[in-house]
Amino acid sequence: ETGVTQTPRHLVMGMTNKKSLKCEQHLGHNAMYWYKQSAKKPLELMFVYSLEERVENNSVPSRFSPECPNSSHLFLHLHTLQPEDSALYLCASSQEGLGGQETQYFGPGTRLLVL
Amino acid sequence: QKEVEQNSGPLSVPEGAIASLNCTYSDRGSQSFFWYRQYSGKSPELIMSIYSNGDKEDGRFTAQLNKASQYVSRLIRDSQPSDSATYLCAVNKRMNTGFQKLVFGTGTRLLVSP
Repeated sequence: ETGVTQTPRHLVMGMTNKKSLKCEQHLGHNAMYWYKQSAKKPLELMFVYSLEERVENNSVPSRFSPECPNSSHLFLHLHTLQPEDSALYLCASSQEGLGGQETQYFGPGTRLLVL
Repeated sequence: QKEVEQNSGPLSVPEGAIASLNCTYSDRGSQSFFWYRQYSGKSPELIMSIYSNGDKEDGRFTAQLNKASQYVSRLIRDSQPSDSATYLCAVNKRMNTGFQKLVFGTGTRLLVSP
């Protein structure tokens, strides 16, 4: 256990559904991240929140909508997804302000299948 | 040129041999370097970080960093079947906002045969 939890662990949804992924970190960190991992591709950074403010939006389609209500929780709201959005979605957290030695810890991920 | 490059493998070694995982990066300003291990179907797990040139040992494992050559590697001595996994190299990068983010390589798949 890394101190980062994600729910649900598996999700199957249709293209017209709306669902949300949840991430919670118990490490007292001040930054949280959403990554997408597709087969045979590098981890793709989607969103970064530092002190609850979004500092990075990596050209992600608007059908993905992040929300960070506080430093411990991060959501990814999904709507009208496409089959190519099927992937492992990973949440991570880190403590920023360590002079470049910030380390990210990952949650177990949500395996998403869009039909 | 990719920001972080790794050979995707698979790298196949017999049990007991030395496995060498290599990574090159493009941003000379990078200061922090990390190795993550990812078992099939699982999330990445941090296994080592290195910040200074030279070697960093941890039991059977050694991380090597050469900033002049923009190269970081991980050696696994006495490889075990349980070391079989995908190893991700990650390098920090400072964004225009001043925020640091990690850039990941595609990972090298290591197979250790009994």
